[in-house]
Amino acid sequence: DQQVKQNSPSLSVQEGRISILNCDYTNSMFDYFLWYKKYPAEGPTFLISISSIKDKNEDGRFTVFLNKSAKHLSLHIVPSQPGDSAVYFCAASGTAGNQFYFGTGTSLTVIP
Amino acid sequence: DAGITQSPRHKVTETGTPVTLRCHQTENHRYMYWYRQDPGHGLRLIHYSYGVKDTDKGEVSDGYSVSRSKTEDFLLTLESATSSQTSVYFCAISDLGWNSPLHFGNGTRLTVT
Repeated sequence: DQQVKQNSPSLSVQEGRISILNCDYTNSMFDYFLWYKKYPAEGPTFLISISSIKDKNEDGRFTVFLNKSAKHLSLHIVPSQPGDSAVYFCAASGTAGNQFYFGTGTSLTVIP
Repeated sequence: DAGITQSPRHKVTETGTPVTLRCHQTENHRYMYWYRQDPGHGLRLIHYSYGVKDTDKGEVSDGYSVSRSKTEDFLLTLESATSSQTSVYFCAISDLGWNSPLHFGNGTRLTVT
């Protein structure tokens, strides 16, 4: 049973506009959430994280929002650039164990 | 980039043969993980280690075993490979466990014919 879900397999955005990637989770014990970016033939690269005590975390063009009551997080990329075209995974973990659970990924295409 | 090396990068093997994948890190991180990536499933945890000789199962551990005799090395063994184990395997490391980021290697593409 998928504990972390990314319901949009793909997303296309014009260069310079905002990209919004969404993620939902089911386990209320999750306390730590991460976003990863993956290019073909490479391993996932850590982008940004947020702990459950916050509802927002920013790092340059990347902002992650967490809505605990809705069990939902999102990644905003502003402005989007062609180099952002990749597959994005969200992940979650919690104090119950050292396992990280990943979503199935969203493929982002930024159109020049 | 985190110092994580996976070997081999590509491997083709036959059904029923044993296969060992190696992950080597130079970061001295305590936690090491093996994931597999398959279309429609994202990344799924096979096994992880929280110290030398300390390992635990993940959600898709059947058919796999692991060993960690040194901090820097984490081995994944398929005792008798099956076609369902054709996948891309990623090793990851973490400094503090559940509340610190995972850093991944570049993966091993395994094909079982």
